[in-house]
Amino acid sequence: DADVTQTPRNRITKTGKRIMLECSQTKGHDRMYWYRQDPGLGLRLIYYSFDVKDINKGEISDGYSVSRQAQAKFSLSLESAIPNQTALYFCATSDLRTSLVNEQFFGPGTRLTVL
Amino acid sequence: KNEVEQSPQNLTAQEGEFITINCSYSVGISALHWLQQHPGGGIVSLFMLSSGKKKHGRLIATINIQEKHSSLHITASHPRDSAVYICAVPNNNNDMRFGAGTRLTVKP
Repeated sequence: DADVTQTPRNRITKTGKRIMLECSQTKGHDRMYWYRQDPGLGLRLIYYSFDVKDINKGEISDGYSVSRQAQAKFSLSLESAIPNQTALYFCATSDLRTSLVNEQFFGPGTRLTVL
Repeated sequence: KNEVEQSPQNLTAQEGEFITINCSYSVGISALHWLQQHPGGGIVSLFMLSSGKKKHGRLIATINIQEKHSSLHITASHPRDSAVYICAVPNNNNDMRFGAGTRLTVKP
């Protein structure tokens, strides 16, 4: 079974709708991240969390919110989706104990299309 | 200027050719990562390196800390090597900065 899972894997929605993307991990890692990937651009950090209830803004947090209610789960919400939020979204985890090298383990990605 | 620059953006090779992908960065690092993203979208870590050279099978990664430059080499390339290769550098201990990726296509 995959260590980092994301649901849904694909989602098509309309402008103005509220969307939630879920990430779950069985690696026991403290740190979790949400990234978006756009064609021609590198992965960009939206939010990250070092522990339950810990939330930190990343490079592009506007229009997004997150929740970390349990160590294994980190959810990303788009309160009112807009077309320029169409992208591939990745969740990732890393282990606090190896934070110096910061190796991250990625989920399979969620392809979100906002019409 | 991006903090992590990769070249080339796209690369097409014939099976068997030697491949080189380059990464230059401007942020301070503790370790540099090379990642592979397959057509299905999944991302896996290939290498972490903080000095010198590492080799896994046909893949070789090198880094020059003074010049802030790393290269990923693929020997005897094969169509199954076709993927996007991404260089990533820790910005601090909180997150990483990613290059835009190099899309490699290896033709039979």
